[in-house]
Amino acid sequence: DAGITQSPRYKITETGRQVTLMCHQTWSHSYMFWYRQDLGHGLRLIYYSAAADITDKGEVPDGYVVSRSKTENFPLTLESATRSQTSVYFCASRESISGSEQFFGPGTRLTVL
Amino acid sequence: AQSVSQHNHHVILSEAASLELGCNYSYGGTVNLFWYVQYPGQHLQLLLKYFSGDPLVKGIKGFEAEFIKSKFSFNLRKPSVQWSDTAEYFCAVGGSNYKLTFGKGTLLTVNP
Repeated sequence: DAGITQSPRYKITETGRQVTLMCHQTWSHSYMFWYRQDLGHGLRLIYYSAAADITDKGEVPDGYVVSRSKTENFPLTLESATRSQTSVYFCASRESISGSEQFFGPGTRLTVL
Repeated sequence: AQSVSQHNHHVILSEAASLELGCNYSYGGTVNLFWYVQYPGQHLQLLLKYFSGDPLVKGIKGFEAEFIKSKFSFNLRKPSVQWSDTAEYFCAVGGSNYKLTFGKGTLLTVNP
């Protein structure tokens, strides 16, 4: 089915472990984004990508790594998870047309113990 | 840098009441403005957007918003809310760099 998917939907891990959250979109949108949603903070941009092999930092990039080897995939890796990274993570994508809608994935709820 | 301020953290209304959620933004260039809604346990969905033209924008489910450039505002309105409108509402501003900056959200609770 067309759309944007994330996996896993729920993840529990321990402090210090590496975790990768996957994001896949079927629209061939140029732009992809990773946000974290925390109570009282709304959505904060972690990283974004304008195209394959082009990524840039957002508002809160520390502790995260991204890659974009293919247009449709944009994985987010927590290299050494910390409790402060417990959050809900949303992936999004959009076309490179001004004013275009940004579509969101269903989210991944990550708990770091 | 772009920023968004949503004035109300939590709004509680009874069904059939009118709704207005405030949103002010800061951005130096041509803006695109959005309202997204997040129903409990779900992802964000677009309610409406302003790109250009008529500053009064109509969206889905009876929502509308008015872009007032002189006030840097993009308030969301609905004349009569329903219980099913209970959700969190996010205002967002986008510029030429295709990034969106979101406000912290307003939680709307509609009591039946």
